[in-house]
Amino acid sequence: SQQGEEDPQALSIQEGENATMNCSYKTSINNLQWYRQNSGRGLVHLILIRSNEREKHSGRLRVTLDTSKKSSSLLITASRAADTASYFCAINIYNQGGKLIFGQGTELSVKP
Amino acid sequence: DSGVTQTPKHLITATGQRVTLRCSPRSGDLSVYWYQQSLDQGLQFLIQYYNGEERAKGNILERFSAQQFPDLHSELNLSSLELGDSALYFCASSARMDTEAFFGQGTRLTVV
Repeated sequence: SQQGEEDPQALSIQEGENATMNCSYKTSINNLQWYRQNSGRGLVHLILIRSNEREKHSGRLRVTLDTSKKSSSLLITASRAADTASYFCAINIYNQGGKLIFGQGTELSVKP
Repeated sequence: DSGVTQTPKHLITATGQRVTLRCSPRSGDLSVYWYQQSLDQGLQFLIQYYNGEERAKGNILERFSAQQFPDLHSELNLSSLELGDSALYFCASSARMDTEAFFGQGTRLTVV
């Protein structure tokens, strides 16, 4: 399966701590994207990193991509209770249109 | 608000019935995607349309079909419904096939 695999499946931290989620995949990609989902609602796009990029930042988010290891990580710094959600990585494969193949997600709980 | 509108938000129907889910993409987006989210399968890509034409197909059942109309809105038709079709169905749109996708709030389908 080309599907991304995420690690850990669940993460519980205190407010103010950093949260790191990892994603691994099995095929060559065009780009990798991270999304957030709050309990059964729509997915919100967080960040897109292209295959020729190694790191990207957006506010408190930092994403890294290592294409040689076929892995990515999402770091949320100084977490807040409002960051509690499920986080998904999704890969976009070159020449397969714009479809996204999602991982199973990491459930993040940030306790106040 | 992602700019992607899905109707209805909730749908309860009986086995064997047929339903139609509707999606209006973000203004200007030519690509529309349909995804299914269930507890056991996670987020699965179903089908993609680009400017009215089918562009990519995932593990979409033969009982399911979709189309994109000239005004770019899309419909997903689910027929001969089974209990296992109960899931969240998401529509997403993107400007290009290598850019981020914007998701609607989903239609929660319950088959009883």
